[in-house]
This record gives sequence, C-alpha cells and structure tokens, in this order.
Amino acid sequence: KNQVEQSPQSLIILEGKNCTLQCNYTVSPFSNLRWYKQDTGRGPVSLTIMTFSENTKSNGRYTATLDADTKQSSLHITASQLSDSASYICVVTYSGGYNKLIFGAGTRLAVHP
Amino acid sequence: DTEVTQTPKHLVMGMTNKKSLKCEQHMGHRAMYWYKQKAKKPPELMFVYSYEKLSINESVPSRFSPECPNSSLLNLHLHALQPEDSALYLCASSRGQGGSGANVLTFGAGSRLTVL
Repeated sequence: KNQVEQSPQSLIILEGKNCTLQCNYTVSPFSNLRWYKQDTGRGPVSLTIMTFSENTKSNGRYTATLDADTKQSSLHITASQLSDSASYICVVTYSGGYNKLIFGAGTRLAVHP
Repeated sequence: DTEVTQTPKHLVMGMTNKKSLKCEQHMGHRAMYWYKQKAKKPPELMFVYSYEKLSINESVPSRFSPECPNSSLLNLHLHALQPEDSALYLCASSRGQGGSGANVLTFGAGSRLTVL
C-alpha cells in the first residue's frame, strides 16, 4: 500500500535551535518528493521538491534530504524562528497511473521564544 | 501574479442551502484541483481539472459539483451538505497534471466551510 509516514507528530523547540523532521514512504513507483509548510487555516506552501536522483536540496534555512534506497527523507530547519511554527507535510508523487500525490499526516512544529 | 485566490474565506451554510466556492489563478496553469482538509489531517483530493475538463473525480458525493468555466476559474457548487462536510476546502493549480517536478502545486489560502 502506498503510504507516507511522518515523525514526530508534533515537536516543540526553542527559538534559534535546529530541528529535523522525518518522512518515510512506501510509494512505488515514485516520481518526486515534496515538502510543504502549512500555517494554521492556510493553504500549504511548497518548500522543496526532489526527484529520486537528488540527495539534498536547500531553500534558505530549510534543507531537505532524500535517500531513495531506504525511502526516507528529512527536513532540517536551521536557526528556527517563531514564524517557523506550522505543520510540515511530506508529499510523494505516485507515478503509476495518473501521478497521484500521497500526503503524509504532517509534523506540527511549535517554536517558542 | 503567483497566487491562487479563493473566495469566500469563511462560509456558514445550512443543510438546505446552495452556495459556491470560487478559485482563480492567473499563472497560466492548465491543471486545477479541489482538496478537502479536516482539522489536523492532510488534504484529500476531490477533483482535478486538466485543460478545463474534469479528469479525476475521487468518488466525491454528488452534493459537491465542480465547474471550470475557463482556464483561470474553478468553482465548487455545494448543495444539501451534511455537518460532516465542514472542513477547509483548498484549491490548487499547477502547470500541468503530470507528476513531474515542473508541476508543483500552488495552493490557495482555503475556504473554511461550516455546515449547520
């Protein structure tokens, strides 16, 4: 079954600290993996997108890694800010059929001063 | 213009009402989507339009009726909804429908629907 699992479910860190969010998937065949940031009550915003041949991609203080062999991805946030408080969603594109997006349940991050 | 605009932001309706959610983008994207998101859950795909034609309907009840009047607009007509339909409805668009990296979804801010 094509699934995307994220951990932890929620995370609290202090402002200025780093953190790493995990995403494991069983989607096959897969086209690409995306990380989205979603503020409460808002639509998701794309942070990174990686194909199976890419190992790492950065977007400012966000760095995503991908290991297509172990089917694992991580999102590392450096020097966290209060505005980083949001849900972070891992989305894998299933490329068998009509290229369906498989969403993870998300990690809710709270950054405290 | 790199935004997807959704209106209204909030909607409260009774089970016998007829209302519509609207979505607009001017990025030249040819694929548009409706997602439903319940609290603390990931978005669930409802419909996909590609080149103004309905290409995917994820077995959505007929009380939800999508419409794509032109390449920039996407509507979701609501009729005889149930309280369990209360959710955040997200519109998204992408350059094309394919799963390649070029077709990154751009989401709107969502319409918060409450059915009484």
